[in-house]
Amino acid sequence: GAVVSQHPSWVICKSGTSVKIECRSLDFQATTMFWYRQFPKQSLMLMATSNEGSKATYEQGVEKDKFLINHASLTLSTLTVTSAHPEDSSFYICSARGTTGFEQYFGPGTRLTVT
Amino acid sequence: QQQVKQSPQSLIVQKGGISIINCAYENTAFDYFPWYQQFPGKGPALLIAIRPDVSEKKEGRFTISFNKSAKQFSLHIMDSQPGDSATYFCAASMGGKSTFGDGTTLTVKP
Repeated sequence: GAVVSQHPSWVICKSGTSVKIECRSLDFQATTMFWYRQFPKQSLMLMATSNEGSKATYEQGVEKDKFLINHASLTLSTLTVTSAHPEDSSFYICSARGTTGFEQYFGPGTRLTVT
Repeated sequence: QQQVKQSPQSLIVQKGGISIINCAYENTAFDYFPWYQQFPGKGPALLIAIRPDVSEKKEGRFTISFNKSAKQFSLHIMDSQPGDSATYFCAASMGGKSTFGDGTTLTVKP
């Protein structure tokens, strides 16, 4: 149980285009999901907290107009990187908060490369 | 200000040995302390976690020791195996939102 999927697992896009990443909780309902980015050999950096049916809460320094988050259902949250640039290339990981409210279950990550 | 400090940055252990990774936190409002294991190119996987009202938790070869007064907690991996070679992250959570340590790269030599 507690499986989180992400799609796509990797994507290459051209500078200036937008990319959408999906995060799904497969066997449980997640009212809260989190989006992280991770650079090579570094820790996870929280970008935003996504709550079902409401606006996402962004961490300081994260551009909300660039990283659009939508949490339209209890099993799906999406992250759209708008007008992507090479510096947006990173490993993006989502997680879903478990039913007890404490644990987080992570997706497998999406490798974004912007050329 | 780094809220969760993790050490060491890297660790090399012989097969069968004990791997110990330490973390320290500052905010006493944290109420959940998980450890995650991450393999290259994969998302982190929850390994074991502890609440602050417990001083130790053991699951198989993995044990968390928690010292509330010192605001420190550690992961012990007994009988370390080459398959345990990965990056380990500690985290401290409050309201379900986690702050991560910088990670420890563990290498278990056969």
